[in-house]
Amino acid sequence: EAQVTQNPRYLITVTGKKLTVTCSQNMNHEYMSWYRQDPGLGLRQIYYSMNVEVTDKGDVPEGYKVSRKEKRNFPLILESPSPNQTSLYFCASSARGLVGEKLFFGSGTQLSVL
Amino acid sequence: RKEVEQDPGPFNVPEGATVAFNCTYSNSASQSFFWYRQDCRKEPKLLMSVYSSGNEDGRFTAQLNRASQYISLLIRDSKLSDSATYLCVVVGSGGSYIPTFGRGTSLIVHP
Repeated sequence: EAQVTQNPRYLITVTGKKLTVTCSQNMNHEYMSWYRQDPGLGLRQIYYSMNVEVTDKGDVPEGYKVSRKEKRNFPLILESPSPNQTSLYFCASSARGLVGEKLFFGSGTQLSVL
Repeated sequence: RKEVEQDPGPFNVPEGATVAFNCTYSNSASQSFFWYRQDCRKEPKLLMSVYSSGNEDGRFTAQLNRASQYISLLIRDSKLSDSATYLCVVVGSGGSYIPTFGRGTSLIVHP
């Protein structure tokens, strides 16, 4: 089954404790992206990747890191989480070209930073 | 001006009603347009693509007006299960091929 797998589904942590949210897709998609969603603000892009070893900042990259060492995986790293990073996070992927291509989303990660 | 704008609502309608949402975009060079549906705290899912000629899928009709730079979604005979947030997505906005999301329009269908 074609899917984007995101883990964990829920995560509670404390300020400053490094964490990684994993994202994996099995569709051989070139494009992958991370979003955060906050009430009233909609989906905001954190980072995206057009292919292996190619990553770019989105609208809200501060405090986040990503890597794209393999085509299928695109982990989101918070080196020193802060309470303002408490949010609902989604990973998404799509095939090359993007124009006309559907985005596939993971099930989301609800992160709480205390 | 935000690149993709939607009325956040909520639109509160009775079952059986017809409801329409609009979404405006700022970049006339935008190339692809979509409507996604998102249930509370769930991942967005593609509802339908939007083509220049307009397209229909059952009770849902999407249209694109390039001259006025907006897309629309019409839902006929609303069901309780249509209650969700509807996200407008534009690709090619801002000169890039990165999808740009509107903030979403909330629809509540009541008995």
